[in-house]
Amino acid sequence: LAKTTQPISMDSYEGQEVNITCSHNNIATNDYITWYQQFPSQGPRFIIQGYKTKVTNEVASLFIPADRKSSTLSLPRVSLSDTAVYYCLGTGGGNKLTFGTGTQLKVEL
Amino acid sequence: EAQVTQNPRYLITVTGKKLTVTCSQNMNHEYMSWYRQDPGLGLRQIYYSMNVEVTDKGDVPEGYKVSRKEKRNFPLILESPSPNQTSLYFCASSTGPKGAQYFGPGTRLLVL
Repeated sequence: LAKTTQPISMDSYEGQEVNITCSHNNIATNDYITWYQQFPSQGPRFIIQGYKTKVTNEVASLFIPADRKSSTLSLPRVSLSDTAVYYCLGTGGGNKLTFGTGTQLKVEL
Repeated sequence: EAQVTQNPRYLITVTGKKLTVTCSQNMNHEYMSWYRQDPGLGLRQIYYSMNVEVTDKGDVPEGYKVSRKEKRNFPLILESPSPNQTSLYFCASSTGPKGAQYFGPGTRLLVL
């Protein structure tokens, strides 16, 4: 199972693009990288998932380089409502899931 | 509406008094799991289930039990709760460990 490392916190302003990087040095061949968003006192919500290169949906983009030892979640033009904790999760290998401590993103005016 | 429900949402109990937190999903998901969330420690998986009658330990299983007698239900049992089990608990379900996890609203437990 991939162990992931993320920055503890990040600050941004409304309208800016935010990039959160996750390190997963021991990622397995069949690992997917999945990102979740969590607001206070709510369960995490799935944002995006990828295996390699780039994945984009209506909410975010996910960039995974060729060596797959890291990934970057990109949030375009953030707003106050994007203030949340973001988790990078490695899946694959065993059936157990380890979320880690996440990145607290704070967006200000 | 596709959802994961948990009950109760809030619970205050005393040390040693057995309790059960229920979890139910209506998406016909095979994979279900329980997490606890504590300040500074993120989400930690307690137990997971790959399907009916198939359960396994997560990262922090001590002091907890689970059962999976039906596909839609996955109750979490604390047979003798202790104060260090005071936490916010989440149930989740998905098609599998690689799939998007759908989380319930959470159960806030206080053990005195």
